[in-house]
Amino acid sequence: EVVLTQSPATLSLSPGERATLSCRASQTVNTYLAWYQQTPGQAPRLLIYDASHRATGIPSRFSGSGSGTDFTLTISSLEPEDFGVYYCQQRDNSWTFGPGTRLEI
Amino acid sequence: EVRLLESGGGVVQPGESLRLSCAGSGFTFDKYAMSWVRQAPGKGLEWVSTLSRSGAATYYAESVKGRFTISRDNSKNTVFLQMNTLRVEDTARYYCARMGATRWDFEYWGQGTLATVSS
Repeated sequence: EVVLTQSPATLSLSPGERATLSCRASQTVNTYLAWYQQTPGQAPRLLIYDASHRATGIPSRFSGSGSGTDFTLTISSLEPEDFGVYYCQQRDNSWTFGPGTRLEI
Repeated sequence: EVRLLESGGGVVQPGESLRLSCAGSGFTFDKYAMSWVRQAPGKGLEWVSTLSRSGAATYYAESVKGRFTISRDNSKNTVFLQMNTLRVEDTARYYCARMGATRWDFEYWGQGTLATVSS
């Protein structure tokens, strides 16, 4: 099983600041890595697929990078609606999610 | 607009069964694989099961293999999750998700249905 670890567990920032979230896989997942956002009381939403491609309707302030075992989600300038929990997920070998990073104000 | 509406959750005792349903609309249902993902209260996301477009291929997490069965009725635009021999640790909100057309990420999600297993 591919295990995903995310860091930091919690990230405290202010609107307008830049956020950098990390995801590391226990073995290579090539670029089969996605990022999801979950705000309180809501279902998850796909943000990034295949490591660096924004999903439909996702603002350009969200960007993803990485390949192999190390990946990064960057939010260039935080908006109030961006605060919540972010999960990475791999589909190279079955499907697994990381434990999440909580992005708080 | 893609919409997924789950139903069938409830409160049951350990060892009992539940059948979840997910009705899809706003897309051609039989062109997409479908999945279930769950989230225990206050916890993260856990993939449960995925079903191919035709229903011929099924995939299960080890934690539910042999107890849960995923199926679909393309004539009714609905995917099901039959959950048998339920355990306390199966308590979660169960989300239905539509996969991407060419890549199996969880592209669209429903709002989920809550299944509680408690004695």
